[in-house]
Amino acid sequence: KNQVEQSPQSLIILEGKNCTLQCNYTVSPFSNLRWYKQDTGRGPVSLTIMTFSENTKSNGRYTATLDADTKQSSLHITASQLSDSASYICVVVPANFGNEKLTFGTGTRLTIIP
Amino acid sequence: EAGVAQSPRYKIIEKRQSVAFWCNPISGHATLYWYQQILGQGPKLLIQFQNNGVVDDSQLPKDRFSAERLKGVDSTLKIQPAKLEDSAVYLCASSLDQQWSNEQFFGPGTRLTVL
Repeated sequence: KNQVEQSPQSLIILEGKNCTLQCNYTVSPFSNLRWYKQDTGRGPVSLTIMTFSENTKSNGRYTATLDADTKQSSLHITASQLSDSASYICVVVPANFGNEKLTFGTGTRLTIIP
Repeated sequence: EAGVAQSPRYKIIEKRQSVAFWCNPISGHATLYWYQQILGQGPKLLIQFQNNGVVDDSQLPKDRFSAERLKGVDSTLKIQPAKLEDSAVYLCASSLDQQWSNEQFFGPGTRLTVL
């Protein structure tokens, strides 16, 4: 069964600090890996999309990395802001998407405190 | 560009009652998805439409859940009768088509509470 595990489950950091969220997956083969940000009471919004051949992708203060050999991805947030408080969800798209579904992680709940 | 619209945003019902949710996808998006997100979990796909046809409904509890997309645009998801374990956020998403490269855009969701 395809799985996506995220850690930590929750994280609290001070405004201005950096943090890194982890995603381990078993989906293989896969086409791309996505990181979403989900604010409370809102739907997920895409942050980055990486194909299996990409190692890193940036979107402003968000940088995602991917190691397809170890099946690990990370999302690094630089100089955190209060607005970064949200859940961050890792999603893996299987290579035969259409016959297999997207696999969503359970998310990391990030809280930024002033 | 207008996003995915959903209504209502919140709904509270008693168990065994019926409820319906509505979704209007981004204009021109052929593929529409309904997800169920239980608190503390990632979204789970309930049903996927390509235009007005069902592509995947393998995880839809068909004894109580139904969905339709009659004209290939708007969609409704119905629960009849509701159970306590149906309490969740129901997310609608759309994409240009069902290719893996197409990003899914999510609506704000409908939070359902079953008492």
